[in-house]
Amino acid sequence: GDSVTQMEGPVTLSEEAFLTINCTYTATGYPSLFWYVQYPGEGLQLLLKATKADDKGSNKGFEATYRKETTSFHLEKGSVQVSDSAVYFCALKTSYDKVIFGPGTSLSVIP
Amino acid sequence: SAVISQKPSRDICQRGTSLTIQCQVDSQVTMMFWYRQQPGQSLTLIATANQGSEATYESGFVIDKFPISRPNLTFSTLTVSNMSPEDSSIYLCSVVLAGTYNEQFFGPGTRLTVL
Repeated sequence: GDSVTQMEGPVTLSEEAFLTINCTYTATGYPSLFWYVQYPGEGLQLLLKATKADDKGSNKGFEATYRKETTSFHLEKGSVQVSDSAVYFCALKTSYDKVIFGPGTSLSVIP
Repeated sequence: SAVISQKPSRDICQRGTSLTIQCQVDSQVTMMFWYRQQPGQSLTLIATANQGSEATYESGFVIDKFPISRPNLTFSTLTVSNMSPEDSSIYLCSVVLAGTYNEQFFGPGTRLTVL
């Protein structure tokens, strides 16, 4: 069945470091791909999305490119800030409109 | 975007009781879903709330334990029945807004603790 795999956390980075959170997926057809973020004590927010192969989603300095050949959607940011500390979820939307989430990656950015 | 509200925002309940969670959206919605997020875990889809008919449940979830209603397009309830401590979780509703392609927007969640 459809599934999402993410790199295990927690990830701890110093401020201004480069961030990569790996995400790979298994799906039939052509799913849409998402990154959601959950800040401490808050609800889930959509961070960025990509709906077809080679699309690049971007928001708040974060980017991810839909790579069909490697079934990946890695999240990157060139220079993280303390305010980026959160849990990041990779997700895919199936052809049946169901969203399947990865296990989440906790990021802590230290000054 | 839209405003998605959930009530209650949190509750502490006794074992064996039931709690009904409400989800209200201020915009037209095409689809509504209910998720569970157990402590330190990812989100798991419980069911798709269908307007005017029985919800569609995912494997491992049953109507007797999680009855769902959706009397109109913008409102749904999830009941957690005969609760046990294992039901302690955050319960979230999510919606796909009319006019959007495939984005799901999430409510703020209901944090449930069962003693």
